[in-house]
Amino acid sequence: GAGVSQTPSNKVTEKGKYVELRCDPISGHTALYWYRQSLGQGPEFLIYFQGTGAADDSGLPNDRFFAVRPEGSVSTLKIQRTERGDSAVYLCASSLSQGRDTQYFGPGTRLTVL
Amino acid sequence: AQSVTQLGSHVSVSEGALVLLRCNYSSSVPPYLFWYVQYPNQGLQLLLKYTTGATLVKGINGFEAEFKKSETSFHLTKPSAHMSDAAEYFCAVMDPYGGSQGNLIFGKGTKLSVKP
Repeated sequence: GAGVSQTPSNKVTEKGKYVELRCDPISGHTALYWYRQSLGQGPEFLIYFQGTGAADDSGLPNDRFFAVRPEGSVSTLKIQRTERGDSAVYLCASSLSQGRDTQYFGPGTRLTVL
Repeated sequence: AQSVTQLGSHVSVSEGALVLLRCNYSSSVPPYLFWYVQYPNQGLQLLLKYTTGATLVKGINGFEAEFKKSETSFHLTKPSAHMSDAAEYFCAVMDPYGGSQGNLIFGKGTKLSVKP
């Protein structure tokens, strides 16, 4: 079956611009996670949804970052007034439910802020 | 707070040799433990995980890991390396009792090279 997909695969933008990154989870998975992976680092947790609601957004670095999942399936990560330090690979994962269920990762979106 | 330490950012082995990738964690309670592999330009793929029960866990592609509570370790091993094992490997932990049951905390990763 189809895995987690993310679009675009690459995004180049200029400092100060707004970007949206999309994640399509595996069908039927209620939990959805966003992580950010900077060069040479492991992924860092940003936000997690259970259904439509953000169950934990403690990893969002500041209020320029926001994510939604209005129908409990597709999620969009939104970054306002992008900064060069936002450049990273943004990973999305989904799992059947929360907790010990395996998280399946998408291929990521590489964001470059010039 | 939980944390993960992976000793060695790069490990190089010969084809057919033992693979040993080290992972130590810091946690006030026994966490859930995971190993993920990342091939170039691909997403993270779960190799194996420990939640409860038997401390020796077998995963895909011949990998296994053992949870040692006394050593706070979850080292990944494979008896005989293949060229196709060359990738980056990430150890991760999850707090099973935390308020947010789900977010993984990753180590910095170990890049495995396999020499012919």
